[in-house]
Amino acid sequence: QAVVTQPPSLSASPGASASLTCTLRSDINIGTYRVHWCRQKPGSPPQYLLWYNSDSDKRQGSGVPSRFSGSKDASANAGILLISGLETEDEADYYCMIWHRSLVFFGGGTKLTVL
Amino acid sequence: EVQLVESGGGLVQPGGSLRLSCAASGFNFGNYWVHWVRQVPGKGLVWVARISGDGTRSDYADSVRGRFTISRDNAKNMLYLQMSSLRVDDTAVYYCSHENLDYWGQGTLVTVSS
Repeated sequence: QAVVTQPPSLSASPGASASLTCTLRSDINIGTYRVHWCRQKPGSPPQYLLWYNSDSDKRQGSGVPSRFSGSKDASANAGILLISGLETEDEADYYCMIWHRSLVFFGGGTKLTVL
Repeated sequence: EVQLVESGGGLVQPGGSLRLSCAASGFNFGNYWVHWVRQVPGKGLVWVARISGDGTRSDYADSVRGRFTISRDNAKNMLYLQMSSLRVDDTAVYYCSHENLDYWGQGTLVTVSS
Protein backbone atom coordinates (compact mmCIF):
# COMPACT_ATOMS: atom_id res chain seq x y z
CA GLN A 1 0.00 0.00 0.00
CA ALA A 2 1.34 3.42 -0.91
CA VAL A 3 2.48 5.71 1.89
CA VAL A 4 0.40 8.58 0.49
CA THR A 5 -2.74 8.26 -1.65
CA GLN A 6 -4.59 10.88 -3.69
CA PRO A 7 -7.73 10.53 -5.79
CA PRO A 8 -6.72 10.61 -9.47
CA SER A 9 -9.12 13.31 -10.56
CA LEU A 10 -11.47 16.04 -9.40
CA SER A 11 -13.67 18.47 -11.30
CA ALA A 12 -15.08 21.78 -10.16
CA SER A 13 -16.56 24.93 -11.61
CA PRO A 14 -14.94 28.36 -11.87
CA GLY A 15 -15.63 30.41 -8.75
CA ALA A 16 -16.36 27.34 -6.67
CA SER A 17 -14.11 25.71 -4.06
CA ALA A 18 -12.20 22.45 -4.42
CA SER A 19 -11.01 20.21 -1.62
CA LEU A 20 -8.14 17.88 -2.54
CA THR A 21 -7.32 15.05 -0.16
CA CYS A 22 -4.08 13.29 0.69
CA THR A 23 -4.55 10.13 2.75
CA LEU A 24 -1.74 8.56 4.72
CA ARG A 25 -1.31 4.82 5.03
CA SER A 26 -3.18 3.54 8.05
CA ASP A 27 -0.02 2.78 10.07
CA ILE A 28 1.15 6.41 9.76
CA ASN A 29 -0.70 8.83 12.01
CA ILE A 30 -1.06 12.19 10.32
CA GLY A 31 -1.08 13.90 13.71
CA THR A 32 2.37 15.51 13.63
CA TYR A 33 3.21 15.36 9.94
CA ARG A 34 3.59 18.44 7.82
CA VAL A 35 1.70 17.86 4.60
CA HIS A 36 3.26 19.71 1.67
CA TRP A 37 1.44 20.59 -1.56
CA CYS A 38 2.63 21.54 -5.00
CA ARG A 39 1.03 21.73 -8.42
CA GLN A 40 2.26 21.16 -11.93
CA LYS A 41 0.99 22.38 -15.24
CA PRO A 42 1.82 20.57 -18.49
CA GLY A 43 5.35 21.19 -19.67
CA SER A 44 6.40 23.01 -16.49
CA PRO A 45 8.22 22.00 -13.31
CA PRO A 46 6.27 21.72 -10.08
CA GLN A 47 5.29 24.89 -8.25
CA TYR A 48 5.29 24.81 -4.48
CA LEU A 49 2.08 25.89 -2.74
CA LEU A 50 2.25 25.40 1.03
CA TRP A 51 2.69 23.07 3.96
CA TYR A 52 0.26 22.52 6.81
CA ASN A 53 0.57 20.75 10.14
CA SER A 54 -1.72 22.79 12.36
CA ASP A 55 -3.15 26.29 12.48
CA SER A 56 -0.06 27.35 14.43
CA ASP A 57 2.41 25.45 12.24
CA LYS A 58 1.89 26.19 8.58
CA ARG A 59 3.55 28.13 5.81
CA GLN A 60 2.42 29.59 2.52
CA GLY A 61 4.79 29.35 -0.39
CA SER A 62 6.32 32.53 -1.74
CA GLY A 63 3.76 34.43 -3.80
CA VAL A 64 1.02 31.84 -3.31
CA PRO A 65 -2.37 33.55 -2.86
CA SER A 66 -4.37 33.06 0.30
CA ARG A 67 -7.16 31.28 -1.56
CA PHE A 68 -4.91 28.22 -1.27
CA SER A 69 -5.01 26.84 2.26
CA GLY A 70 -4.29 23.63 4.10
CA SER A 71 -6.02 21.63 6.78
CA LYS A 72 -6.24 18.12 8.18
CA ASP A 73 -9.00 15.62 8.76
CA ALA A 74 -7.68 13.48 11.58
CA SER A 75 -10.61 11.08 11.40
CA ALA A 76 -9.71 10.31 7.79
CA ASN A 77 -5.96 10.43 8.45
CA ALA A 78 -5.74 12.93 5.61
CA GLY A 79 -4.31 16.27 4.67
CA ILE A 80 -6.48 18.64 2.67
CA LEU A 81 -5.71 21.38 0.18
CA LEU A 82 -8.59 23.82 -0.16
CA ILE A 83 -8.70 26.09 -3.17
CA SER A 84 -11.36 28.77 -3.07
CA GLY A 85 -12.53 31.00 -5.89
CA LEU A 86 -11.36 28.55 -8.56
CA GLU A 87 -9.94 30.01 -11.73
CA THR A 88 -9.46 28.21 -15.04
CA GLU A 89 -5.70 28.72 -14.52
CA ASP A 90 -5.91 26.43 -11.47
CA GLU A 91 -6.35 23.47 -13.77
CA ALA A 92 -3.28 21.35 -13.06
CA ASP A 93 -1.96 18.22 -11.37
CA TYR A 94 -1.74 18.62 -7.60
CA TYR A 95 0.68 16.58 -5.50
CA CYS A 96 1.00 16.17 -1.77
CA MET A 97 4.19 15.00 -0.08
CA ILE A 98 5.39 14.08 3.38
CA TRP A 99 8.72 13.37 5.05
CA HIS A 100 8.56 9.92 6.68
CA ARG A 101 11.57 8.28 8.34
CA SER A 102 14.02 10.56 6.52
CA LEU A 103 12.51 9.76 3.13
CA VAL A 104 10.13 11.83 1.03
CA PHE A 105 6.93 10.35 -0.33
CA PHE A 106 4.71 11.90 -2.97
CA GLY A 107 1.11 11.06 -3.57
CA GLY A 108 0.20 9.94 -7.07
CA GLY A 109 -1.34 13.32 -7.86
CA THR A 110 -4.85 14.63 -8.46
CA LYS A 111 -5.73 16.09 -11.83
CA LEU A 112 -7.96 19.09 -11.15
CA THR A 113 -10.23 20.09 -14.01
CA VAL A 114 -11.91 23.49 -13.83
CA LEU A 115 -14.85 23.82 -16.20
CA GLU B 1 16.03 34.79 -6.62
CA VAL B 2 16.56 31.06 -6.16
CA GLN B 3 17.61 29.36 -9.38
CA LEU B 4 18.33 25.70 -10.04
CA VAL B 5 19.55 24.56 -13.45
CA GLU B 6 19.96 20.89 -14.27
CA SER B 7 22.17 19.46 -16.98
CA GLY B 8 23.73 16.20 -18.08
CA GLY B 9 20.71 14.29 -19.29
CA GLY B 10 20.70 12.28 -22.47
CA LEU B 11 20.42 8.84 -24.02
CA VAL B 12 22.25 5.97 -22.34
CA GLN B 13 22.13 2.21 -22.82
CA PRO B 14 20.82 -0.12 -20.12
CA GLY B 15 23.58 -0.91 -17.67
CA GLY B 16 25.33 2.35 -18.43
CA SER B 17 26.18 5.36 -16.29
CA LEU B 18 25.40 9.05 -16.35
CA ARG B 19 26.11 12.01 -14.10
CA LEU B 20 23.57 14.79 -13.67
CA SER B 21 24.50 18.25 -12.44
CA CYS B 22 22.48 21.03 -10.87
CA ALA B 23 23.81 24.59 -10.63
CA ALA B 24 22.32 26.53 -7.73
CA SER B 25 22.20 30.28 -7.16
CA GLY B 26 20.27 32.88 -5.21
CA PHE B 27 20.63 31.28 -1.79
CA ASN B 28 23.34 30.16 0.64
CA PHE B 29 23.72 26.75 -0.95
CA GLY B 30 25.82 25.10 1.76
CA ASN B 31 23.17 25.78 4.41
CA TYR B 32 20.44 23.66 2.83
CA TRP B 33 19.54 20.09 2.05
CA VAL B 34 18.83 19.57 -1.64
CA HIS B 35 16.96 16.82 -3.46
CA TRP B 36 16.65 14.96 -6.73
CA VAL B 37 13.12 14.09 -7.85
CA ARG B 38 12.17 12.33 -11.06
CA GLN B 39 9.11 12.05 -13.23
CA VAL B 40 8.34 9.66 -16.02
CA PRO B 41 6.66 11.76 -18.74
CA GLY B 42 2.92 11.71 -18.15
CA LYS B 43 3.29 10.15 -14.68
CA GLY B 44 3.68 11.39 -11.13
CA LEU B 45 6.59 12.78 -9.13
CA VAL B 46 8.93 10.33 -7.41
CA TRP B 47 11.54 11.37 -4.87
CA VAL B 48 15.02 10.00 -5.57
CA ALA B 49 17.52 11.26 -3.01
CA ARG B 50 18.59 14.14 -0.78
CA ILE B 51 21.81 15.37 0.74
CA SER B 52 22.54 17.55 3.76
CA GLY B 53 24.03 21.01 3.47
CA ASP B 54 27.51 19.87 4.50
CA GLY B 55 27.30 16.75 2.36
CA THR B 56 27.80 14.32 5.23
CA ARG B 57 24.32 12.81 5.23
CA SER B 58 22.24 11.43 2.40
CA ASP B 59 19.10 9.40 1.93
CA TYR B 60 17.85 7.41 -1.05
CA ALA B 61 14.64 5.90 -2.34
CA ASP B 62 14.65 2.11 -2.26
CA SER B 63 14.47 1.98 -6.07
CA VAL B 64 17.86 3.67 -6.53
CA ARG B 65 19.79 2.84 -3.37
CA GLY B 66 23.09 1.18 -4.25
CA ARG B 67 22.96 2.39 -7.87
CA PHE B 68 22.75 6.18 -7.54
CA THR B 69 25.00 8.48 -5.53
CA ILE B 70 24.12 12.05 -4.61
CA SER B 71 26.93 14.50 -3.89
CA ARG B 72 27.62 18.21 -3.82
CA ASP B 73 30.41 20.76 -4.17
CA ASN B 74 29.56 23.73 -1.99
CA ALA B 75 32.51 25.75 -3.29
CA LYS B 76 30.94 25.60 -6.75
CA ASN B 77 27.28 25.65 -5.65
CA MET B 78 26.77 22.38 -7.51
CA LEU B 79 24.66 19.29 -6.83
CA TYR B 80 25.29 15.99 -8.59
CA LEU B 81 23.62 12.65 -9.15
CA GLN B 82 25.85 9.82 -10.31
CA MET B 83 23.67 7.12 -11.83
CA SER B 84 25.00 3.66 -12.61
CA SER B 85 23.55 0.29 -13.60
CA LEU B 86 20.84 2.25 -15.33
CA ARG B 87 17.60 0.49 -16.23
CA VAL B 88 14.88 1.27 -18.74
CA ASP B 89 12.58 2.23 -15.87
CA ASP B 90 15.03 4.96 -14.80
CA THR B 91 13.90 6.90 -17.87
CA ALA B 92 12.46 10.17 -16.57
CA VAL B 93 12.87 13.91 -16.24
CA TYR B 94 15.14 14.55 -13.28
CA TYR B 95 14.62 17.69 -11.20
CA CYS B 96 16.77 19.16 -8.48
CA SER B 97 14.95 20.92 -5.69
CA HIS B 98 15.63 23.09 -2.68
CA GLU B 99 15.34 21.83 0.90
CA ASN B 100 11.57 22.04 1.39
CA LEU B 101 10.89 21.15 -2.24
CA ASP B 102 9.81 24.78 -2.57
CA TYR B 103 12.04 25.64 -5.52
CA TRP B 104 12.62 23.47 -8.57
CA GLY B 105 14.75 23.47 -11.66
CA GLN B 106 13.38 22.94 -15.15
CA GLY B 107 14.56 19.33 -15.24
CA THR B 108 16.79 17.25 -17.50
CA LEU B 109 15.58 14.21 -19.44
CA VAL B 110 17.34 10.89 -19.03
CA THR B 111 16.45 8.18 -21.53
CA VAL B 112 17.67 4.64 -20.94
CA SER B 113 17.25 2.61 -24.09
CA SER B 114 19.13 0.27 -26.35
